[in-house]
This record gives sequence, C-alpha cells and structure tokens, in this order.
Amino acid sequence: KQEVTQIPAALSVPEGENLVLNCSFTDSAIYNLQWFRQDPGKGLTSLLLIQSSQREQTSGRLNASLDKSSGRSTLYIAASQPGDSATYLCAVLNAGGTSYGKLTFGQGTILTVHP
Amino acid sequence: DAGVIQSPRHEVTEMGQEVTLRCKPISGHDYLFWYRQTMMRGLELLIYFNNNVPIDDSGMPEDRFSAKMPNASFSTLKIQPSEPRDSAVYFCASSLGGRFGATEAFFGQGTRLTVV
Repeated sequence: KQEVTQIPAALSVPEGENLVLNCSFTDSAIYNLQWFRQDPGKGLTSLLLIQSSQREQTSGRLNASLDKSSGRSTLYIAASQPGDSATYLCAVLNAGGTSYGKLTFGQGTILTVHP
Repeated sequence: DAGVIQSPRHEVTEMGQEVTLRCKPISGHDYLFWYRQTMMRGLELLIYFNNNVPIDDSGMPEDRFSAKMPNASFSTLKIQPSEPRDSAVYFCASSLGGRFGATEAFFGQGTRLTVV
C-alpha cells in the first residue's frame, strides 16, 4: 500500500528566505508526482507535475525534484513571500498492482511566511 | 474548459437526510476521484473511476456512501442517511490517464457539507 509522508508538518519563516518542503513515498512504482497548494477554505491548485522519467520541474520561484528510486521529492521555494502562505500537498499517481491509477496524498505542510 | 465543476458549494442538512453531491469532470478526462477532507484525517480518497467504471472503492467509509458515474461527464456521491460525522469538504478531481503516465489532476472547488 502506497504511503506518502510530508515533512515538516508546519513551517514558519520570515519573508525572503529560501525553503524546502519534503515528500517521501513508499512505493516507487509511480507515474508521476504532483505538488499542490491549498489556501484556507479553498480547493487544491496544481503547482508542478513531475513525470516519473523526469528529475525536476520549475515554475517561477518554485522548483520540484524527484528521486523515484529513493522515494523522495522536494519542493524548493525561493525568496518566499507572505502570499506563499498556504498548505502544500504532494501526491503520487500509482502505477503498480491494485493501486493502479490511484492518486495518494501526503498530509501536507502548513507554511507561514511572515513579513 | 471551465475545469472540474462541483455542486452544491455548500450543503447543510439534518441528520438522517439523503445528500447528493455532484461532479462534472473536465471534458476528455478518463479518471475521476472523490476525496473527503477533514482537519483530523486530511485528504482521504473515497473512490475513483476509470472510463466510468469504479476501480477502487475501499475508501468508502460505510454502506451509507455510494457513488455512480453514469457517463463520462457526470458523477454523484450519495450519503443516505447522513450523520454529523459526515461533515467535511468533499472534493472531486479528474485527470487523463494513459500508457506512459497521466496529466495533472485537477480539483473542483469542493462541497462543504454540514450535517446537524
């Protein structure tokens, strides 16, 4: 059974800092890994998608890496801003066995960027 | 495309009543997922469909929950009878699968259900 873990559960940083959010998964048979952002009381917004054959993806100040063999991904946020404050979730799309096609989420990292 | 559309956005109902949540996936997507989110348990996958066929419903908490996808453009999640512990935000998501992977999963805005 695929399990996704995110560390840390919460993170508070001053504006301008570079930061790293971590995601690990137990089954490396995945199609892709996706990072989402969720603002309080809102839905999930997709930030980055990394296919299993890729090592990283970049969008603006965000960079996500994937090491499928070790079951790890990181989301790097450069020059953080108060507007980055949200919950960040990672999810893997399973490729193996009875979990084929299933999107499994971590518990999320609550990020607060203070001015 | 307008994205994944869920209705209603908010639902308040009395315990014991039937509740039906609706979802319209993005046109052309062949995977549809129903999730439930609470503070205590985070995002839980309830059920997902591929080409309108339920693939895994092991996350459906009880027989009171049922989901259908009669066609590629519509799905429902029904709770009958509803209980206060069913109060949560229910999300629908869709994606496009394929041999070499899948596209991003796109989420609807969710339905906030309150059972009193």
